[in-house]
Amino acid sequence: EDQVTQSPEALRLQEGESSSLNCSYTVSGLRGLFWYRQDPGKGPEFLFTLYSAGEEKEKERLKATLTKKESFLHITAPKPEDSATYLCAGGGNDYKLSFGAGTTVTVRA
Amino acid sequence: DGGITQSPKYLFRKEGQNVTLSCEQNLNHDAMYWYRQDPGQGLRLIYYSQIVNDFQKGDIAEGYSVSREKKESFPLTVTSAQKNPTAFYLCASSIDNDEQYFGPGTRLTVT
Repeated sequence: EDQVTQSPEALRLQEGESSSLNCSYTVSGLRGLFWYRQDPGKGPEFLFTLYSAGEEKEKERLKATLTKKESFLHITAPKPEDSATYLCAGGGNDYKLSFGAGTTVTVRA
Repeated sequence: DGGITQSPKYLFRKEGQNVTLSCEQNLNHDAMYWYRQDPGQGLRLIYYSQIVNDFQKGDIAEGYSVSREKKESFPLTVTSAQKNPTAFYLCASSIDNDEQYFGPGTRLTVT
């Protein structure tokens, strides 16, 4: 059974304090590792897709990386507007996504 | 603007009543999905459809039903057989079964 585990569950950062979120996955026939941002009471917003180990993608203060067992979402010099829950999901060979429970990031000014 | 709409945003029902949640997309995506989100848990797949007039059960389909009569629409019915229907429901769509794009969600409360 496909499994995706995110850590930590919650992360409190000071503005400007860089950190990383972890996503460990066991997904049969991984065809993509997806990162989303979700604000309270809203639907997830797509951020990145990573397809193969060693791949990196960046968007503003966010950078996602992928290894054969994990993905990391690095937040560089975060601002309060980066506060959200970040979800990762593994897409397997059955065309379904398996989601982790998310990491809730709070950035204090 | 292209996107996914879900209505209503909030829905309240009495126990024992069936309720239908709407999901419409104008992205011309073939695949559509329904998820349920509960506090502290990842999104769980209820049903998905890769093409009109065809759909498959996800991981937690019991107590739910769907239809896919049009490419743009994928309504979800929460039946009285669903034991814990109170949750945040999310609809998504994708092209080529790649990244999924989500609607704003419907929060269903059953009392």
